[in-house]
Amino acid sequence: DAGVIQSPRHEVTEMGQEVTLRCKPISGHNSLFWYRQTMMRGLELLIYFNNNVPIDDSGMPEDRFSAKMPNASFSTLKIQPSEPRDSAVYFCASRKQGETQYFGPGTRLLVL
Amino acid sequence: GENVEQHPSTLSVQEGDSAVIKCTYSDSASNYFPWYKQELGKRPQLIIDIRSNVGEKKDQRIAVTLNKTAKHFSLHITETQPEDSAVYFCAGSSGTYKYIFGTGTRLKVLA
Repeated sequence: DAGVIQSPRHEVTEMGQEVTLRCKPISGHNSLFWYRQTMMRGLELLIYFNNNVPIDDSGMPEDRFSAKMPNASFSTLKIQPSEPRDSAVYFCASRKQGETQYFGPGTRLLVL
Repeated sequence: GENVEQHPSTLSVQEGDSAVIKCTYSDSASNYFPWYKQELGKRPQLIIDIRSNVGEKKDQRIAVTLNKTAKHFSLHITETQPEDSAVYFCAGSSGTYKYIFGTGTRLKVLA
């Protein structure tokens, strides 16, 4: 298995632009998680899905952030409009019920 | 609410010495405790885990202990090597979907 796949791996954009991060979970995993990691705030859970349904989005910082999971093999995290304080590494992770969670390689986002 | 506290935030040890990282959880329903290692610029990767029906688990130079009564669990690394230098995260899970992560410990192994 290729593991959790994320794209792009790096993204540099200007303030105000829309950013879309993509994730393909491990096949057979039914839970998907989006995290944000910064030096100041550490590893933050933004939102997670179970069986493609959003379960808890309380970690989403504000309305500029949205996430979707249209099917079991794909999820997106969108930031519109982006701001410099959104600069971070965004990780996607997936797991099968009752088993270990695996992280993707992350997307390094820089908003200028 | 659910919370996992992790200490220390930074830890420096001499190569060959042991390192211990401690975590405390608040949710009594927590029953699964994974530990992740994150090297610089890389993703967090699972290194060891323990379930609540076990008090200790060992894998070569790393071990994890769990005290359910005190709601403590610890990571022990023996004979540390420079490649052990990384950030380590503990987490707790109650069987619901999400993990509650600690704030991380930056371990430096000095050669």
